[in-house]
Amino acid sequence: QSVLTQPPSVSGAPGQRVTISCTGSSSNIGGGYDVHWYQQLPGTAPKLLIYANTNRPSGVPDRFSGSKSGTSASLAITGLQADDESDYYCQSYDSSLNWVFGGGTKLTVL
Amino acid sequence: QVQLQESGPGLVKPSETLSLTCSVSGGSISSYYWSWIRQPAGKGLECIGRIYSSGITKYNPSLKGRVTMSVDTSKNQFSLKLTSVTAADTAVYYCAKSNPWFDPWGQGTLVTVSS
Repeated sequence: QSVLTQPPSVSGAPGQRVTISCTGSSSNIGGGYDVHWYQQLPGTAPKLLIYANTNRPSGVPDRFSGSKSGTSASLAITGLQADDESDYYCQSYDSSLNWVFGGGTKLTVL
Repeated sequence: QVQLQESGPGLVKPSETLSLTCSVSGGSISSYYWSWIRQPAGKGLECIGRIYSSGITKYNPSLKGRVTMSVDTSKNQFSLKLTSVTAADTAVYYCAKSNPWFDPWGQGTLVTVSS
């Protein structure tokens, strides 16, 4: 059971917008620690998608955006494309457990 | 840009020690933090710990006592040792630069614990 809670799966049709939530607690997200997001295509290493809550590394399309409020964070993907189908993980820091990940969310493009 | 590559045995016997090395290219290992992260098949990610180029370490409390990380700045490498392994330690092991977000990552190496 992960310290950060993500929905196991989300889905959307091409062109639609989907969001993936990441819920923590006062010892991690709510404690002011930043949230980072990763995309993991099948059989590959995770790739940084969003860092420090809202920032996109160079090369990541602006269809991907992040937000954080209270003890939760969200990843939004607009203009859904077939190659967005992937696993997505949130990550933060916990004052007791150090670095923590969410359990991951599988995005299916219908 | 910085690239990372894991290396080490792909098969370790139960109760023995898992040893992996991460080679960093395209940049210096100095003045940065570096991490090991693992992922059992079909499961999520778990951070094992982090090491600074000076050798200062911080480990996941759930693994503390079994984990040792070290760094060799002359070789631009850092290493992981995990003792007393069991089947539960079977996973793909990744090394990554810790910014504190993890980027970039190595491609990962599968380590299977089996007799």
